[in-house]
Amino acid sequence: AQTVTQSQPEMSVQEAETVTLSCTYDTSENNYYLFWYKQPPSRQMILVIRQEAYKQQNATENRFSVNFQKAAKSFSLKISDSQLGDTAMYFCAFMKHYGGATNKLIFGTGTLLAVQP
Amino acid sequence: NAGVMQNPRHLVRRRGQEARLRCSPMKGHSHVYWYRQLPEEGLKFMVYLQKENIIDESGMPKERFSAEFPKEGPSILRIQQVVRGDSAAYFCASSPYTGVQNTEAFFGQGTRLTVV
Repeated sequence: AQTVTQSQPEMSVQEAETVTLSCTYDTSENNYYLFWYKQPPSRQMILVIRQEAYKQQNATENRFSVNFQKAAKSFSLKISDSQLGDTAMYFCAFMKHYGGATNKLIFGTGTLLAVQP
Repeated sequence: NAGVMQNPRHLVRRRGQEARLRCSPMKGHSHVYWYRQLPEEGLKFMVYLQKENIIDESGMPKERFSAEFPKEGPSILRIQQVVRGDSAAYFCASSPYTGVQNTEAFFGQGTRLTVV
């Protein structure tokens, strides 16, 4: 069974600075996807960034980038130039890469990020 | 193109009543997933459905919970005889297909169920 661990329940960062959120996972699969989702107070789940395990290059999306270390099973999220609107709960998630029955997501417990003015 | 629509947004039920949560997937999406988020926790997978089929219900409690996705109309998550421990946010996500390459799931805004 796959598990996802986020060891930082809460983080705080000053506006315009950089912050890194940690995520580790455990799986015996070789092909899979990893995601970071953002959940602001509205509760809407918003996809921030996605990484395919077979790709060595780290994914980037504007101010968001990941550090994917497959051997270490680590998948951290870096947010550069933090903005007040980045304040939210951030969830790391795992999904098997399989053309079969399901592509359910396995979520971590989340990190609450507060961006301070 | 409307996103995933869930209703109601908020639902209050007394212990022992039934709760019905609805999810209309994005247009063209035939796969629906239900997740539950307990207070201070991450989302946990409950069930995966295609039209008229339950594909994976490994996350569903054995009793009182059921889900359907009929040929016409929204997907329904039904909780019978609710208890206080059922209080949570219930999220629906949809995707266009599951094939050789898994695809992104798009989430609704959730239904917050409160059992009093």
